[in-house]
Amino acid sequence: KQEVTQIPAALSVPEGENLVLNCSFTDSAIYNLQWFRQDPGKGLTSLLLIQSSQREQTSGRLNASLDKSSGRSTLYIAASQPGDSATYLCAVNNQGGKLIFGQGTELSVKP
Amino acid sequence: AAGVIQSPRHLIKEKRETATLKCYPIPRHDTVYWYQQGPGQDPQFLISFYEKMQSDKGSIPDRFSAQQFSDYHSELNMSSLELGDSALYFCASDLTGKTDTQYFGPGTRLTVL
Repeated sequence: KQEVTQIPAALSVPEGENLVLNCSFTDSAIYNLQWFRQDPGKGLTSLLLIQSSQREQTSGRLNASLDKSSGRSTLYIAASQPGDSATYLCAVNNQGGKLIFGQGTELSVKP
Repeated sequence: AAGVIQSPRHLIKEKRETATLKCYPIPRHDTVYWYQQGPGQDPQFLISFYEKMQSDKGSIPDRFSAQQFSDYHSELNMSSLELGDSALYFCASDLTGKTDTQYFGPGTRLTVL
């Protein structure tokens, strides 16, 4: 059974810092991995999707990497801004289509 | 660009009542997924449909049922509501084989009193 874990559960950084969020999964036979952002009480916004054959994806200040063999993914956020404050969720697709989510990392960027 | 639409956005029900949540996927998307997110929890997969047929089933209670219609919209029917059913219910859609990114709707917040 696939299990997804995110570390840390919460992170507080000053504005301008670069930061890394971690995601690990127990079953490496994944189809893809998706990173989401969720603001309090709101919906899920897709940030990046990495296929199992890819090593990384970039979008603006965001870079996601995937090491399938070790069951790890990281989300790197460069030059963090207060507007980046949110919960970041990673989710794994094990080819069934359904997503299995981690518990999320709650990020707070202080001005 | 059109997004996933969910209605209603908020719903308040009493225990033992029924509720129907609706989801309208992105046009031309053929797969719909339902997820439940309890307070402080991560989203949990409930059920999915591909081309109007159930394609996968997760931790969905027997009191819940769902279907996908000919226009690809989906409805989640919930009966004998319990306090523990209070949650955010998300619908997501994708186009199987074409785009692997699941796009999520804004969610329906169900409160059971």
